[in-house]
Amino acid sequence: EDQVTQSPEALRLQEGESSSLNCSYTVSGLRGLFWYRQDPGKGPEFLFTLYSAGEEKEKERLKATLTKKESFLHITAPKPEDSATYLCAVGPGGNFNKFYFGSGTKLNVKP
Amino acid sequence: NAGVTQTPKFRILKIGQSMTLQCTQDMNHNYMYWYRQDPGMGLKLIYYSVGAGITDKGEVPNGYNVSRSTTEDFPLRLELAAPSQTSVYFCASRHRQGGNTGELFFGEGSRLTVL
Repeated sequence: EDQVTQSPEALRLQEGESSSLNCSYTVSGLRGLFWYRQDPGKGPEFLFTLYSAGEEKEKERLKATLTKKESFLHITAPKPEDSATYLCAVGPGGNFNKFYFGSGTKLNVKP
Repeated sequence: NAGVTQTPKFRILKIGQSMTLQCTQDMNHNYMYWYRQDPGMGLKLIYYSVGAGITDKGEVPNGYNVSRSTTEDFPLRLELAAPSQTSVYFCASRHRQGGNTGELFFGEGSRLTVL
């Protein structure tokens, strides 16, 4: 069964304190792993797509990496504006329209 | 471009009532989706459409219906509302030409409470 598990559920950091969020997945024929950011009361906003193990993508203070079983979202020297829920999703090979989302990691960065 | 627009933003229903959540996109996207998000849970796919006249079930379709008469609109119908349908509903769309990028464009959500 295709599934996505994210950890931790919540993470509190001080401004400038780097850390990583984890997304482990089980999927038939991965065609893409996606990271989204969701602010309170808003819809998710796309960040990255990773296609194969070893791939990395960067955007400002965020870097996403992918292995055959999990992905990490590394946050370097975070700022309060990075506070949000970060969602991971996978696109299965059987039907790319049926994305599976994890339950998210709620990040709180204190000044 | 307004992107993906959902209405209403908030609604309270009584058990057994019916309603339609509206979704419109102005990006000429072929693919459209309806998700629900419960507290502490991931987004669950209800229905999706790959183009006008074509719809298919997602992970949690029971109690819902959809139609896609135009490229722009993808309404979600709730028949005989139940408390289990209390949730936040998100509509999303995607470029066909986007290939496998997985970039979904989401609306702001519709918060539904069934009492």
